[in-house]
Amino acid sequence: KAGVTQTPRYLIKTRGQQVTLSCSPISGHRSVSWYQQTPGQGLQFLFEYFSETQRNKGNFPGRFSGRQFSNSRSEMNVSTLELGDSALYLCASSFTVGSGSYEQYFGPGTRLTVT
Amino acid sequence: KNQVEQSPQSLIILEGKNCTLQCNYTVSPFSNLRWYKQDTGRGPVSLTIMTFSENTKSNGRYTATLDADTKQSSLHITASQLSDSASYICVVVPPNAGGTSYGKLTFGQGTILTVHP
Repeated sequence: KAGVTQTPRYLIKTRGQQVTLSCSPISGHRSVSWYQQTPGQGLQFLFEYFSETQRNKGNFPGRFSGRQFSNSRSEMNVSTLELGDSALYLCASSFTVGSGSYEQYFGPGTRLTVT
Repeated sequence: KNQVEQSPQSLIILEGKNCTLQCNYTVSPFSNLRWYKQDTGRGPVSLTIMTFSENTKSNGRYTATLDADTKQSSLHITASQLSDSASYICVVVPPNAGGTSYGKLTFGQGTILTVHP
């Protein structure tokens, strides 16, 4: 089974621009979560989608948005980029197992650099 | 505020040596505690998952322990290899995880382990 794929792997943008990142989850996984990882803050939750609906949202400004398609593929968009948005953006696909637990698999991430 | 604190922030050891990484948490209640390994430029990969009722869980040369009374977990790496060089992240998972709870996962800042030949 193929793992979680993210495109592009690397991206360089200029302040004020917008960017769209893509994530394809493992086949059969309907939940996709997005995380921002920086050296100073570690992993921070952005949002989670399940069956095309946003179920959870972290504490990020409205410039960060996302969506999920009927095939479970997800995109996240960041508008009006700021220098502080430079980070590794990780996508994870998940499925619920018995007893209320879950299995979560991370993609390789997209390294975004804002100049 | 629920927190997960990891120590040390970074660690350098020689190949073949053992090491122990620490994770202290204040998250309560919780369902399980997970250790992830993250290689540079890659996404985290799950090493161990322990429920609150388990004391230890092994995965090859990796052994995680959990003391729910003191709210401490440790990850012990035996006979380290160069490929163990990575960041190790502790994650505390709330009850009823999955579904609406992904946003409530609490991540530690990670310990960067470097193994030298």
